[in-house]
Amino acid sequence: GAVVSQHPSWVICKSGTSVKIECRSLDFQATTMFWYRQFPKQSLMLMATSNEGSKATYEQGVEKDKFLINHASLTLSTLTVTSAHPEDSSFYICSARDGQGGDTIYFGEGSWLTVV
Amino acid sequence: GQQLNQSPQSMFIQEGEDVSMNCTSSSIFNTWLWYKQDPGEGPVLLIALYKAGELTSNGRLTAQFGITRKDSFLNISASIPSDVGIYFCAGLGSGTYKYIFGTGTRLKVLA
Repeated sequence: GAVVSQHPSWVICKSGTSVKIECRSLDFQATTMFWYRQFPKQSLMLMATSNEGSKATYEQGVEKDKFLINHASLTLSTLTVTSAHPEDSSFYICSARDGQGGDTIYFGEGSWLTVV
Repeated sequence: GQQLNQSPQSMFIQEGEDVSMNCTSSSIFNTWLWYKQDPGEGPVLLIALYKAGELTSNGRLTAQFGITRKDSFLNISASIPSDVGIYFCAGLGSGTYKYIFGTGTRLKVLA
């Protein structure tokens, strides 16, 4: 199946700093990527939809100035957590839509963020 | 956000038993996807369904797209310990690229 790579797998940062997470579709072009947050023992919570070449669409309650999303190419979207706080610690997952493959979405491996 | 009703929430089964889980929605979907997520990792696609009534298998896994287009089922035959994990369904309606996810089914297999 299609491959989506997410980097880094885990990151620890200090409060007040910013962290960037990358999501790459390795073998297909993804005009649309999605960013999720997942709390322990819960389902995926959609944060935003990332569209190549345009602004991201954020879900209600998600601060767009805190979670900056850039989708500069058809294979790369980035999520930057700005001025991170301990409550931002979570598991962040991206997915990419394969428009040539029946709109199926494929997930990255996820990134663990710990803010200390 | 909106979520699909997925059942059961969790289940313990003996190795070798068959497993069934389902997702239901109040709205019609055009695509159903089933994923498995292991702890600390991203979900991995198991089966994709694109047509009402479609029945698709992937090894010991079989999934069906309900005729009403409001539900989908996943069956696992002869379960093994490595089937442990969380299974999610995801549905896609018309005119959108945003999938709606099920609440997940936690499967634990007793050897």
